[in-house]
Amino acid sequence: GQNIDQPTEMTATEGAIVQINCTYQTSGFNGLFWYQQHAGEAPTFLSYNVLDGLEEKGRFSSFLSRSKGYSYLLLKELQMKDSASYLCAVRDSNYQLIWGAGTKLIIKP
Amino acid sequence: IAGITQAPTSQILAAGRRMTLRCTQDMRHNAMYWYRQDLGLGLRLIHYSNTAGTTGKGEVPDGYSVSRANTDDFPLTLASAVPSQTSVYFCASSDSRVETGELFFGEGSRLTVL
Repeated sequence: GQNIDQPTEMTATEGAIVQINCTYQTSGFNGLFWYQQHAGEAPTFLSYNVLDGLEEKGRFSSFLSRSKGYSYLLLKELQMKDSASYLCAVRDSNYQLIWGAGTKLIIKP
Repeated sequence: IAGITQAPTSQILAAGRRMTLRCTQDMRHNAMYWYRQDLGLGLRLIHYSNTAGTTGKGEVPDGYSVSRANTDDFPLTLASAVPSQTSVYFCASSDSRVETGELFFGEGSRLTVL
């Protein structure tokens, strides 16, 4: 079966760095996405990786290793507004998205 | 403002009643999707449409139906609601011709079936 694993919850301190991991087992691979979802709101697109390596976008970076079935989202200089759930999703061989359950990130002052 | 609109925002419904959740997008995206989101679970695809006039079943289609008469609208119907359909429903759209083809989500419809 297809599976996306990510930690249920993480806690970090304002101003610090946090890494949210995602491992996947899917039927084929056509890209990996990270979305941010604030409580009670819709998910919003953060990043997309299809080749191995690091993609940097401001305070957020996303890394992919296809051989290891692994990705991480790195958030730097954490701000209180970064408190949210972070969803990892993989597009499989049928171009359908398989979603992880999300990681709830709690930022403490 | 361009985007994707869902209605209603929330609804309490008696079991056995019929309910239609509306979804409209003005981005001219070819693909549209309906997901449900339940606590502790990832987003689960109910139905999708790759282009106007076509629809397909997702992971959890039972008890739901959709139609795609035109590019902009993609309503989701619960023919006879049951309590297990209590959930938050998200409509999304994407331009699958773009490499990333990221999804744009509506604000969600919170449905409670009693």
